[in-house]
Amino acid sequence: DSGVTQTPKHLITATGQRVTLRCSPRSGDLSVYWYQQSLDQGLQFLIQYYNGEERAKGNILERFSAQQFPDLHSELNLSSLELGDSALYFCASSAGTGINEQYFGPGTRLTVT
Amino acid sequence: QQPVQSPQAVILREGEDAVINCSSSKALYSVHWYRQKHGEAPVFLMILLKGGEQKGHEKISASFNEKKQQSSLYLTASQLSYSGTYFCGTERNNDMRFGAGTRLTVKP
Repeated sequence: DSGVTQTPKHLITATGQRVTLRCSPRSGDLSVYWYQQSLDQGLQFLIQYYNGEERAKGNILERFSAQQFPDLHSELNLSSLELGDSALYFCASSAGTGINEQYFGPGTRLTVT
Repeated sequence: QQPVQSPQAVILREGEDAVINCSSSKALYSVHWYRQKHGEAPVFLMILLKGGEQKGHEKISASFNEKKQQSSLYLTASQLSYSGTYFCGTERNNDMRFGAGTRLTVKP
C-alpha cells in the first residue's frame, strides 16, 4: 500500500459525458501527478500540482483539467469523453518539487462506451 | 520527448541476469526507474541523479551516463518476483516522461 488513495476504482460512462477522478496523496506529500495509461501502453504524464499550484503540464488534452485543493487532495476532470479516453488513470504523490520518488495510487479504470 | 527503452521484452530463467537500457535525445538531469506488475500500480525502484547520487529501495543496480544520456538497469540473479514491466522516466522542469516499458518475464 503506497498510501495514495484514488476513487473511484472503476468508472463506466458514455461518450460526451463528464467525470471527476479523485486522489488523496500520501500524508505529508505536497506534489500530485496525474498519468494516463492506455491498454498495453506506457505512462503518459498529464499534469503536476505542488501545494495547490500547477507546476508542470504534459500531454493533457484541453477537455481535461485538474486542480489541487487546500487539503492537498486533487481532482482530474475529464469532459466531452471519447472512446479513446478509456484508460487507467494514475495519481502519484511525492514529497516536493525536487527530484523525489513518486508513490502511485491504485488507479481509476475509466471505460467510455 | 519520451525516452527510448530497449529491449521491448525479455524472458529469463530464474537466476539469469538482464540489462534494460534507457536513452534520451535530450540532456538528462535524473533518471527514474519503476516496475509495474500486471494489474497493479507502478512501484518506485531507483532514481539516478546527475553527479552520481542514487536513491533506491531495492537491491537493484543501475548506471547513469550523463554524457551519453543513457541509463541502464541491471537485474542480477533474477527471481520470479522480478517479473513485470519496467519503465524508465526522465524528468526536466518537473515534466516527467516515461519510456514505453520493457516487459520482463522470469520463468522457473
